[in-house]
Amino acid sequence: DAGITQSPRYKITETGRQVTLMCHQTWSHSYMFWYRQDLGHGLRLIYYSAAADITDKGEVPDGYVVSRSKTENFPLTLESATRSQTSVYFCASRHRGSYEQYFGPGTRLTVT
Amino acid sequence: KQEVTQIPAALSVPEGENLVLNCSFTDSAIYNLQWFRQDPGKGLTSLLLIQSSQREQTSGRLNASLDKSSGRSTLYIAASQPGDSATYLCAVNGGATNKLIFGTGTLLAVQP
Repeated sequence: DAGITQSPRYKITETGRQVTLMCHQTWSHSYMFWYRQDLGHGLRLIYYSAAADITDKGEVPDGYVVSRSKTENFPLTLESATRSQTSVYFCASRHRGSYEQYFGPGTRLTVT
Repeated sequence: KQEVTQIPAALSVPEGENLVLNCSFTDSAIYNLQWFRQDPGKGLTSLLLIQSSQREQTSGRLNASLDKSSGRSTLYIAASQPGDSATYLCAVNGGATNKLIFGTGTLLAVQP
C-alpha cells in the first residue's frame, strides 16, 4: 500500500524492556521524523533524518535510538522503556522539495 | 525558544456557523506554518501550509492567514459541518530542516 505506515499500532510493554516501533513510507521521501504526543504537551519531535544514514536529535531524544539504513524505513527504539515513555508515537515524512509533512496513523505505546 | 499557543482549547458551534481558530507564536523568524486536522485515534492530516512570504492560503471552505510580524495565524472555516469536528493543530517551522513546533490544538465540535 502506498503512503506511510506504522507498526505495531498498539503495544504494551514492561519497564526495562527494549521495544522498536517501525515506520515505512513508499514515497521515497528524503526526510523522516518521529514525534510523541502527550496530553498537555502536544506533539514533540524526538528524532529526524534528512536521508539514509543521516539522523539528528529533536526536542526530546533522551531514551530513544534511531537508525536509517534504507530511505523508506525509520525505526525508533526504546532501549530500556520507562513509564514516562507511555505515549502515542507518530512518524512523518516529507519530500526534499516541499515543507509539507505527511503523518502515519500512530502507535499507542503503554509501558507498565 | 519558540512557543506556539492555540486559543481556545475547545470550541463548540452549531452547524452552518463560520468560525475562526487562532494560533500564536513567540518567534516571528519562521519559514512556514502548517495547519493540521486530527481525528480521534488517528494521525494528522495536513490542511494548509503557508510560507513566510505569504499572507494566506485557501482550500475549499478553509482559509488560513499569517501575520508574521505579530506572531499570529488564523484558520477560518466557512459554513461549518458536523464532519469538521476534530482537533485542529498549528505548527511552525523555524528552519530549512522543517522541525515543527506544535501548538496543543483546538478541539472543535460542530453540533448538527
